[in-house]
Amino acid sequence: EVVLTQSPATLSLSPGERATLSCRASQSITFYLAWYQQKPGQAPRLLMYDASNRAPGIPARFSGSWSGTDFTLTISSLEPEDFAVYYCQERSNWPRGTFGGGTKVEIK
Amino acid sequence: VQLLESGGGLVRPGGSLRLSCAASGFTFSTYGMSWVRQTPEKGLEWVSAISGSADTTYYADSVKGRFTISRDNSNNILYLHMNSLRAEDTAIYYCVQSGYCSPTTWYPAWFDPWGQGTLVTVSS
Repeated sequence: EVVLTQSPATLSLSPGERATLSCRASQSITFYLAWYQQKPGQAPRLLMYDASNRAPGIPARFSGSWSGTDFTLTISSLEPEDFAVYYCQERSNWPRGTFGGGTKVEIK
Repeated sequence: VQLLESGGGLVRPGGSLRLSCAASGFTFSTYGMSWVRQTPEKGLEWVSAISGSADTTYYADSVKGRFTISRDNSNNILYLHMNSLRAEDTAIYYCVQSGYCSPTTWYPAWFDPWGQGTLVTVSS
């Protein structure tokens, strides 16, 4: 079973700053990783899929990359609406899915 | 696409509950569907999935033998029948679209979109 480890648990940044979130898989999942954004009181929303593809309607300030088992979500310049919790998810044993523990991006 | 869950509530340990998810805005019978739950302690956990035609189902080990996923394609409703509920089943349960199903193939896809969730509390 693949384990996803997200870091840091909390990221304290100011609007306009760059955010870099990490998700490490315990074994190779090639590029089959997604990122979700969740705001308080809302369901998660698909943000990125297949490691580096933005979901429809997601702004270009969001980008994803990967190298081996390390995946990165980057927000180039934080907007007020970007402060939320971000989860990564893999589907190597689809239709099952495994999620990471989340990274909270909070306002500094 | 809209997914609207209902049926959550307070139930005693050992009790039963049936969750429903009313789907609209897409051809329901041609999509696999999943239930995903969320707790502050364990985060997001995939629970169960069902193919478009309901001929294939999957369960997490934590709920196998206690939960049953089903669907009514005539009325565009997804269900989760939960028996022998435990305190650790307390969570927000989300209904999620999970990939297109042709007559022969269930295509892998990411969890998108999600319903708004329904809260299940198991407590005496």
